[in-house]
Amino acid sequence: DAKTTQPNSMESNEEEPVHLPCNHSTISGTDYIHWYRQLPSQGPEYVIHGLTSNVNNRMASLAIAEDRKSSTLILHRATLRDAAVYYCILRLSGYALNFGKGTSLLVTP
Amino acid sequence: GAVVSQHPSRVICKSGTSVKIECRSLDFQATTMFWYRQFPKKSLMLMATSNEGSKATYEQGVEKDKFLINHASLTLSTLTVTSAHPEDSSFYICSAAGGAEISYNEQFFGPGTRLTVL
Repeated sequence: DAKTTQPNSMESNEEEPVHLPCNHSTISGTDYIHWYRQLPSQGPEYVIHGLTSNVNNRMASLAIAEDRKSSTLILHRATLRDAAVYYCILRLSGYALNFGKGTSLLVTP
Repeated sequence: GAVVSQHPSRVICKSGTSVKIECRSLDFQATTMFWYRQFPKKSLMLMATSNEGSKATYEQGVEKDKFLINHASLTLSTLTVTSAHPEDSSFYICSAAGGAEISYNEQFFGPGTRLTVL
């Protein structure tokens, strides 16, 4: 499986944008880039996914580098409820998710 | 979004007993369900992939005779931890994917089951 590299932790102020980076230099042409997040003692929650083009949804935006070797999850205005572990995962369509260590996001008032 | 439930949310049992955990997709039919395990402060580890009507596929190092998975319908999968021991204490999470109603690119996770073996 292609691997992803994320910072262990990041910190943001409330109501400011947050850019969560992910490196995936060994990504293959058929790998989708998925982002999930997990709040304490809860199951993961889907955030966004993309293949080649940038994507936007109500939760976040996903910016994918032109060579696809890196991507950035953008939370436009962080709230305290966005404090979670964010996982960047490469996945073939229909296959299981292999979770790495993720980035623990701390949001301060 | 689609909803996945798990029951029970937490269970405490004695060593040597068996525990069954249910995972249900409430508003969609899931062709595939996945079972994960998560130890404290660690990431999720995939245990097995289950397709409706067929045998589960287990990840390397996961004992299929200890962790019995049944996926008898498109809305229900069960995980039975047989002869549980304290080292099996963990947070067990299921997810569901597939079906005509939802995108196959998105997995929906249950809230998890906290198992404590005394």
